[in-house]
Amino acid sequence: EAGVAQSPRYKIIEKRQSVAFWCNPISGHATLYWYQQILGQGPKLLIQFQNNGVVDDSQLPKDRFSAERLKGVDSTLKIQPAKLEDSAVYLCASSLAGQGLAYEQYFGPGTRLTVT
Amino acid sequence: QQQVKQSPQSLIVQKGGISIINCAYENTAFDYFPWYQQFPGKGPALLIAIRPDVSEKKEGRFTISFNKSAKQFSLHIMDSQPGDSATYFCAASKPGYQKVTFGIGTKLQVIP
Repeated sequence: EAGVAQSPRYKIIEKRQSVAFWCNPISGHATLYWYQQILGQGPKLLIQFQNNGVVDDSQLPKDRFSAERLKGVDSTLKIQPAKLEDSAVYLCASSLAGQGLAYEQYFGPGTRLTVT
Repeated sequence: QQQVKQSPQSLIVQKGGISIINCAYENTAFDYFPWYQQFPGKGPALLIAIRPDVSEKKEGRFTISFNKSAKQFSLHIMDSQPGDSATYFCAASKPGYQKVTFGIGTKLQVIP
């Protein structure tokens, strides 16, 4: 079974530039998550999708971050414009279902973003 | 607001020893407590998880101990090996849409 795929793996941009990350979840997984992991900290949920719909984006800085999940499969996370404090690893995860019993989340390898 | 507090932030254990990582939570609505293991350059991977209706769960060398009244849980790694060197995160989630709140992480180093 293929895992969660993310690209690019690394990205270096200057502040005020824009950047986009792509995620392809495990086939059949209805729920998709984007996390931000700052060095030395645990992952922080940015947004959670259940199929096409957003179920939690309470910690997404909506003035600069946006995310979409088209056709309930792939997802993109965009930052525009980037700030220095956005330097982090952006992790995508997926799980089988969204409600009721908790299902294991499978994480991709992440995209390491450096904003200079 | 740190809903899941994890300690220590770093831990050095000799090979063959026991590694112990502790976590405490505030929200009694949490009903699922997973532990994740993360190697450098990789995403976290689920190691073991527990629900509050049991006090202990063991899988191989890894054991979760859960104290519901104290709102604390811990991970014990028996016979620690150099290959266990990684960052470990405790986490908690509520019923419903499984939003997982992670602790700050513990960087474990097992030395020969």
